[in-house]
Amino acid sequence: GDSVTQMEGPVTLSEEAFLTINCTYTATGYPSLFWYVQYPGEGLQLLLKATKADDKGSNKGFEATYRKETTSFHLEKGSVQVSDSAVYFCALRSGNTPLVFGKGTRLSVIA
Amino acid sequence: DAEITQSPRHKITETGRQVTLACHQTWNHNNMFWYRQDLGHGLRLIHYSYGVQDTNKGEVSDGYSVSRSNTEDLPLTLESAASSQTSVYFCASSVTADVDEQFFGPGTRLTVL
Repeated sequence: GDSVTQMEGPVTLSEEAFLTINCTYTATGYPSLFWYVQYPGEGLQLLLKATKADDKGSNKGFEATYRKETTSFHLEKGSVQVSDSAVYFCALRSGNTPLVFGKGTRLSVIA
Repeated sequence: DAEITQSPRHKITETGRQVTLACHQTWNHNNMFWYRQDLGHGLRLIHYSYGVQDTNKGEVSDGYSVSRSNTEDLPLTLESAASSQTSVYFCASSVTADVDEQFFGPGTRLTVL
């Protein structure tokens, strides 16, 4: 079945550092890809998405590009802030099915 | 504003008791989902519904049940709570299965002693 693998955390960075969180997927067909973010004590919220190959999703300074050839959707941000500290989830959806999530990566940004 | 709410936010119960977690959304979304979140496992799908009277099993459905009698609510019932069901439970909804975004509730932290 469909699955998502993302890098193990936790990831600890200093403020203004560059962030990459790796995500690869296995799916039949052509899934839509997502990054969700969970701030402490809250539910998940959509951060960005891409629905076809070579699409780039972006939001709040975060970006991810749908790479079909490497089955990847890595999350990047050029300069992280303390307020970016959260758990980030990569997810996919193939056709008429519920989202499939990765295990999540906890990011801590220190001032 | 439309929203999705869960109750209770925290619950402590004993092994063997029946527990029901409530999920209510005011967006009139057709699709509703229940997930559990555990360290090292991320979010795992328990049950989901694509409309009234429709329910489907997810990846970890054993020991859980749902029913959908109206559009707004999808209660999750643990028939006989077990310690392995100690977790944080999230409800989510979306307009249709083909629409990208799922909106998540704030979660219910359940402890089974």
